[in-house]
Amino acid sequence: EVQLVESGGGLVQPGGSLRLSCAASGFTFSDHYMHWVRQAPGMGLEWVGHIRDKAKSYTTEYAASVKGRFTISRDDSLKSLYLQMNSLKTEDTAVYYCGRSAADWGQGTLVTVSS
Amino acid sequence: DIQMTQSPSSLSASVGDRVTITCRASQGIRNDLGWYQQKPGKAPKRLIYAASSLQSGVPSRFSGSGSGTEFTLTISRLQPEDFATYYCLQYNSYPLTFGGGTRVETK
Repeated sequence: EVQLVESGGGLVQPGGSLRLSCAASGFTFSDHYMHWVRQAPGMGLEWVGHIRDKAKSYTTEYAASVKGRFTISRDDSLKSLYLQMNSLKTEDTAVYYCGRSAADWGQGTLVTVSS
Repeated sequence: DIQMTQSPSSLSASVGDRVTITCRASQGIRNDLGWYQQKPGKAPKRLIYAASSLQSGVPSRFSGSGSGTEFTLTISRLQPEDFATYYCLQYNSYPLTFGGGTRVETK
């Protein structure tokens, strides 16, 4: 069974940083592109970005709203995905979900950016 | 960026009804589209990929169709557990983009 468990969310001040983690199990992590999407309170889903697999040199793509501030990385040996978020803004407040190939998603972790 | 226009934004239906949701892409995306169901406080669940392929384990009352710029999700006979919000997602080009969502409510 595919399991994805996000962690690292919490309250952070505007301009601050936070690192989210996603622990994967139940599938061959290294074979898959991994995604982050987010959902602001009461709003729809927004794709944040993804990281390709080793065969594609772990290259990344990002939404314009986070490019230059967020960095996605992965550690295949630990079956873990990461989202480093810098220069956080109030509009980054959302539940963040990690996903396997945009097919399966974790339960999410809440990030609140507020002073 | 490719814009995904989803309609309607909400609908009211009864158990047993046939429900149709549409997504229109601002440019052609071949069949690079998925449909997701989301219930309050829960993660999205993929129902359909490649526009018309049913995800394993998803009931056959869900179906998808379309190609190019117009796509449809159909629920043939709405069940109580189907009241939820539905989203389309295009993955033809970056950035990936979701439709705005369709909330299916009980009539």
